[in-house]
Amino acid sequence: AQSVTQLGSHVSVSEGALVLLRCNYSSSVPPYLFWYVQYPNQGLQLLLKYTSAATLVKGINGFEAEFKKSETSFHLTKPSAHMSDAAEYFCAVRNTGGFKTIFGAGTRLFVKA
Amino acid sequence: DAGVTQSPTHLIKTRGQQVTLRCSPISGHKSVSWYQQVLGQGPQFIFQYYEKEERGRGNFPDRFSARQFPNYSSELNVNALLLGDSALYLCASSLTTGTAQETQYFGPGTRLLVL
Repeated sequence: AQSVTQLGSHVSVSEGALVLLRCNYSSSVPPYLFWYVQYPNQGLQLLLKYTSAATLVKGINGFEAEFKKSETSFHLTKPSAHMSDAAEYFCAVRNTGGFKTIFGAGTRLFVKA
Repeated sequence: DAGVTQSPTHLIKTRGQQVTLRCSPISGHKSVSWYQQVLGQGPQFIFQYYEKEERGRGNFPDRFSARQFPNYSSELNVNALLLGDSALYLCASSLTTGTAQETQYFGPGTRLLVL
Protein backbone atom coordinates (compact mmCIF):
# COMPACT_ATOMS: atom_id res chain seq x y z
CA ALA A 1 0.00 0.00 0.00
CA GLN A 2 1.16 3.49 -0.77
CA SER A 3 1.87 6.09 1.88
CA VAL A 4 3.73 9.35 2.35
CA THR A 5 5.57 10.75 5.34
CA GLN A 6 6.25 14.43 5.76
CA LEU A 7 9.20 15.20 7.98
CA GLY A 8 8.54 18.16 10.21
CA SER A 9 5.09 19.41 11.09
CA HIS A 10 6.37 22.99 11.19
CA VAL A 11 9.11 24.73 9.21
CA SER A 12 10.13 28.34 9.74
CA VAL A 13 12.27 30.32 7.30
CA SER A 14 13.18 33.95 6.81
CA GLU A 15 11.89 35.87 3.84
CA GLY A 16 14.30 35.33 0.95
CA ALA A 17 15.69 32.08 2.35
CA LEU A 18 15.51 28.65 0.79
CA VAL A 19 12.37 26.64 1.44
CA LEU A 20 12.78 22.88 1.82
CA LEU A 21 9.83 20.70 2.75
CA ARG A 22 10.54 17.00 3.03
CA CYS A 23 8.43 14.10 1.83
CA ASN A 24 9.21 10.40 1.65
CA TYR A 25 6.95 7.90 -0.01
CA SER A 26 6.33 4.21 0.21
CA SER A 27 5.11 2.41 -2.86
CA SER A 28 5.64 -0.99 -4.41
CA VAL A 29 4.96 0.40 -7.87
CA PRO A 30 6.06 3.59 -9.61
CA PRO A 31 4.23 6.28 -7.71
CA TYR A 32 2.32 9.31 -8.85
CA LEU A 33 3.20 12.06 -6.40
CA PHE A 34 1.69 15.46 -5.73
CA TRP A 35 2.27 18.55 -3.66
CA TYR A 36 -0.71 20.65 -2.60
CA VAL A 37 -0.87 23.94 -0.72
CA GLN A 38 -3.66 25.00 1.59
CA TYR A 39 -4.08 28.59 2.70
CA PRO A 40 -6.08 29.30 5.86
CA ASN A 41 -9.76 28.52 5.53
CA GLN A 42 -9.37 27.40 1.93
CA GLY A 43 -9.31 24.18 -0.04
CA LEU A 44 -6.27 22.54 -1.60
CA GLN A 45 -4.42 23.94 -4.59
CA LEU A 46 -2.16 21.75 -6.72
CA LEU A 47 1.44 22.98 -6.76
CA LEU A 48 2.95 20.26 -8.92
CA LYS A 49 2.81 16.58 -9.74
CA TYR A 50 5.23 13.84 -10.70
CA THR A 51 4.08 11.40 -13.35
CA SER A 52 7.43 9.84 -14.37
CA ALA A 53 8.01 12.16 -17.33
CA ALA A 54 10.87 14.00 -15.61
CA THR A 55 12.47 13.68 -12.19
CA LEU A 56 12.62 17.45 -11.64
CA VAL A 57 9.15 18.88 -11.64
CA LYS A 58 8.44 22.59 -11.78
CA GLY A 59 5.24 23.92 -10.34
CA ILE A 60 3.47 27.16 -9.72
CA ASN A 61 4.71 30.08 -7.62
CA GLY A 62 8.37 29.15 -8.12
CA PHE A 63 8.18 25.77 -6.40
CA GLU A 64 9.83 22.63 -7.69
CA ALA A 65 10.32 19.08 -6.48
CA GLU A 66 12.77 16.35 -7.35
CA PHE A 67 11.83 12.69 -7.48
CA LYS A 68 14.62 10.49 -6.13
CA LYS A 69 13.82 6.83 -6.41
CA SER A 70 16.95 5.71 -4.54
CA GLU A 71 15.93 7.80 -1.56
CA THR A 72 12.16 7.35 -2.02
CA SER A 73 11.86 11.10 -1.64
CA PHE A 74 9.96 13.93 -3.29
CA HIS A 75 11.10 17.05 -1.46
CA LEU A 76 9.61 20.45 -2.29
CA THR A 77 11.88 23.46 -2.67
CA LYS A 78 11.74 27.14 -3.48
CA PRO A 79 14.91 29.22 -3.77
CA SER A 80 13.56 32.34 -2.08
CA ALA A 81 10.66 32.39 0.36
CA HIS A 82 8.03 35.08 0.20
CA MET A 83 5.64 36.08 2.93
CA SER A 84 2.76 34.87 0.78
CA ASP A 85 4.18 31.32 0.88
CA ALA A 86 3.07 30.92 4.49
CA ALA A 87 0.57 28.06 4.36
CA GLU A 88 0.11 24.34 4.97
CA TYR A 89 1.74 22.03 2.44
CA PHE A 90 0.68 18.46 1.78
CA CYS A 91 2.56 15.75 -0.02
CA ALA A 92 0.34 13.08 -1.55
CA VAL A 93 0.43 9.86 -3.54
CA ARG A 94 -2.26 8.37 -5.72
CA ASN A 95 -3.16 4.79 -4.96
CA THR A 96 -2.57 2.05 -7.53
CA GLY A 97 -6.20 1.90 -8.54
CA GLY A 98 -6.17 5.63 -9.08
CA PHE A 99 -9.35 6.36 -7.22
CA LYS A 100 -7.99 7.96 -4.05
CA THR A 101 -5.24 10.34 -3.03
CA ILE A 102 -3.33 9.54 0.13
CA PHE A 103 -2.09 12.62 1.95
CA GLY A 104 0.67 13.19 4.41
CA ALA A 105 0.00 14.93 7.70
CA GLY A 106 1.12 18.26 6.32
CA THR A 107 3.88 20.77 7.03
CA ARG A 108 3.03 24.27 8.09
CA LEU A 109 5.43 26.82 6.63
CA PHE A 110 6.07 30.05 8.53
CA VAL A 111 7.89 32.89 6.81
CA LYS A 112 9.55 35.52 8.99
CA ALA A 113 10.10 39.07 7.85
CA ASP B 1 -14.39 28.69 -15.87
CA ALA B 2 -15.86 28.06 -12.47
CA GLY B 3 -13.96 25.73 -10.21
CA VAL B 4 -15.37 23.14 -7.85
CA THR B 5 -18.11 24.64 -5.70
CA GLN B 6 -19.38 23.38 -2.37
CA SER B 7 -22.30 24.33 -0.18
CA PRO B 8 -22.80 25.32 2.48
CA THR B 9 -19.51 26.88 3.50
CA HIS B 10 -20.14 26.41 7.20
CA LEU B 11 -22.55 24.29 9.17
CA ILE B 12 -23.29 23.72 12.84
CA LYS B 13 -25.15 20.60 13.94
CA THR B 14 -25.75 18.75 17.19
CA ARG B 15 -24.91 15.16 17.98
CA GLY B 16 -27.31 12.66 16.48
CA GLN B 17 -28.46 14.93 13.68
CA GLN B 18 -28.02 14.28 9.98
CA VAL B 19 -26.24 16.53 7.48
CA THR B 20 -26.08 16.80 3.69
CA LEU B 21 -23.18 18.48 1.93
CA ARG B 22 -23.24 19.38 -1.74
CA CYS B 23 -20.61 19.61 -4.45
CA SER B 24 -20.64 20.75 -8.07
CA PRO B 25 -17.64 19.62 -10.12
CA ILE B 26 -15.82 21.57 -12.79
CA SER B 27 -17.79 21.59 -16.03
CA GLY B 28 -16.94 18.50 -18.04
CA HIS B 29 -15.60 16.55 -15.08
CA LYS B 30 -17.36 13.28 -14.44
CA SER B 31 -15.70 12.14 -11.24
CA VAL B 32 -16.22 13.49 -7.74
CA SER B 33 -14.32 12.49 -4.62
CA TRP B 34 -14.97 13.37 -0.99
CA TYR B 35 -12.36 13.85 1.71
CA GLN B 36 -12.54 14.59 5.42
CA GLN B 37 -9.89 16.84 6.94
CA VAL B 38 -9.81 16.93 10.70
CA LEU B 39 -8.05 19.94 12.20
CA GLY B 40 -4.30 19.50 12.10
CA GLN B 41 -4.33 16.48 9.81
CA GLY B 42 -4.18 15.70 6.13
CA PRO B 43 -7.35 14.93 4.19
CA GLN B 44 -8.69 11.37 4.42
CA PHE B 45 -10.44 9.75 1.48
CA ILE B 46 -14.13 8.96 1.95
CA PHE B 47 -15.64 8.17 -1.47
CA GLN B 48 -15.14 8.47 -5.19
CA TYR B 49 -18.03 8.51 -7.65
CA TYR B 50 -17.76 8.26 -11.40
CA GLU B 51 -20.67 8.22 -13.80
CA LYS B 52 -23.03 7.96 -10.82
CA GLU B 53 -21.41 4.81 -9.49
CA GLU B 54 -19.27 4.37 -6.40
CA ARG B 55 -15.74 3.54 -7.53
CA GLY B 56 -13.95 3.61 -4.20
CA ARG B 57 -14.62 3.89 -0.52
CA GLY B 58 -12.35 4.77 2.37
CA ASN B 59 -12.36 3.46 5.91
CA PHE B 60 -15.46 5.28 7.13
CA PRO B 61 -18.55 3.86 8.86
CA ASP B 62 -21.85 3.26 7.12
CA ARG B 63 -23.15 6.50 8.60
CA PHE B 64 -21.39 8.13 5.67
CA SER B 65 -23.04 7.82 2.28
CA ALA B 66 -22.95 9.68 -0.99
CA ARG B 67 -24.48 9.80 -4.39
CA GLN B 68 -23.84 11.41 -7.75
CA PHE B 69 -26.51 12.89 -9.95
CA PRO B 70 -26.89 12.82 -13.76
CA ASN B 71 -25.36 16.31 -13.94
CA TYR B 72 -22.33 14.89 -12.03
CA SER B 73 -22.94 16.95 -8.91
CA SER B 74 -22.75 15.02 -5.68
CA GLU B 75 -24.06 14.91 -2.14
CA LEU B 76 -22.38 13.55 0.95
CA ASN B 77 -24.68 12.48 3.77
CA VAL B 78 -23.65 11.80 7.32
CA ASN B 79 -26.17 10.32 9.76
CA ALA B 80 -26.13 10.17 13.54
CA LEU B 81 -23.46 12.83 13.83
CA LEU B 82 -20.71 12.42 16.39
CA LEU B 83 -18.44 15.08 17.84
CA GLY B 84 -15.59 13.46 15.93
CA ASP B 85 -17.29 14.23 12.62
CA SER B 86 -16.35 17.88 13.07
CA ALA B 87 -14.03 18.60 10.17
CA LEU B 88 -13.53 20.32 6.85
CA TYR B 89 -15.16 18.25 4.12
CA LEU B 90 -13.50 18.63 0.77
CA CYS B 91 -14.84 17.74 -2.61
CA ALA B 92 -12.54 17.12 -5.57
CA SER B 93 -13.37 16.65 -9.21
CA SER B 94 -11.47 15.12 -12.10
CA LEU B 95 -12.18 14.36 -15.72
CA THR B 96 -12.36 10.62 -15.30
CA THR B 97 -11.23 8.05 -12.82
CA GLY B 98 -9.10 6.05 -15.14
CA THR B 99 -5.52 7.04 -14.41
CA ALA B 100 -3.58 7.53 -11.22
CA GLN B 101 -1.78 10.56 -12.62
CA GLU B 102 -4.97 12.47 -13.24
CA THR B 103 -5.19 15.75 -11.38
CA GLN B 104 -7.91 16.28 -8.82
CA TYR B 105 -9.19 19.81 -8.34
CA PHE B 106 -10.42 20.66 -4.87
CA GLY B 107 -13.23 22.89 -3.76
CA PRO B 108 -13.04 25.30 -0.80
CA GLY B 109 -14.69 22.81 1.52
CA THR B 110 -17.57 22.78 3.97
CA ARG B 111 -16.63 23.25 7.58
CA LEU B 112 -18.86 21.16 9.83
CA LEU B 113 -19.00 21.68 13.56
CA VAL B 114 -20.85 19.13 15.67
CA LEU B 115 -21.82 20.25 19.17
